[in-house]
Amino acid sequence: QLHLQESGPGLVKPSETLSLTCTVSGGSISRTAYYWAWIRQPPGKGLEWIVTMDYSGNTYDNRSLKSRITISIDTSKNQFSLNLSSVTAADTAVYYCARGALRDFDFWGQGTLVTVSS
Amino acid sequence: DVVVTQSPLSLPVTLGQPASISCRSSQSLLYSDGNTYLNWFQQRPGQSPRRLIYKVSNRDSGVPDRFSGSGSGTDFTLKISRVEAEDVGVYYCMQGTHWPITFGQGTRLEIK
Repeated sequence: QLHLQESGPGLVKPSETLSLTCTVSGGSISRTAYYWAWIRQPPGKGLEWIVTMDYSGNTYDNRSLKSRITISIDTSKNQFSLNLSSVTAADTAVYYCARGALRDFDFWGQGTLVTVSS
Repeated sequence: DVVVTQSPLSLPVTLGQPASISCRSSQSLLYSDGNTYLNWFQQRPGQSPRRLIYKVSNRDSGVPDRFSGSGSGTDFTLKISRVEAEDVGVYYCMQGTHWPITFGQGTRLEIK
């Protein structure tokens, strides 16, 4: 059974970098058939796609966030990570990691709330 | 960016009655490979989104057959033939044809 689990600090100070990791279990992150993504949801609001990557590091990102995003994948640990720099209160959200095809998400993690506040 | 507009935003439904959600995109979602990348997700209270329908009309494994998707081009619909209590939540359509991937605003389904 596939399981995705987000982890990282729940509180980040303004102007600092938000760092999250998604640990995948029940399946290999190296399978070429799949892509791995980050999506966020501000409290009480809708969903915003952030970035999609494949196991070899090729990425597709939301240009509204592009300059602040750094992503990585660690196939030895079956994990992928997101760094979002220069955060503001507008970056407060539940962050989800997900698996899918290039243009789709078929399986989501449970999400982790990140609050940006001093 | 492709704008995806859902209606209604709030949908009160009596148990056992049908429900329908519309999703319209600002550009055609037909991709050059012949596929239309329009998906539907259900988000129950306190849960992460769950995909119900992919590529317009394909139901995911385990999704009850009372859920169905249809449409083409820029106009799409999610239908629930008979609403059950477990269907309460927010429904999102999402387009994956054009970058960036974008979601509709969500439709909140509640029981009358």
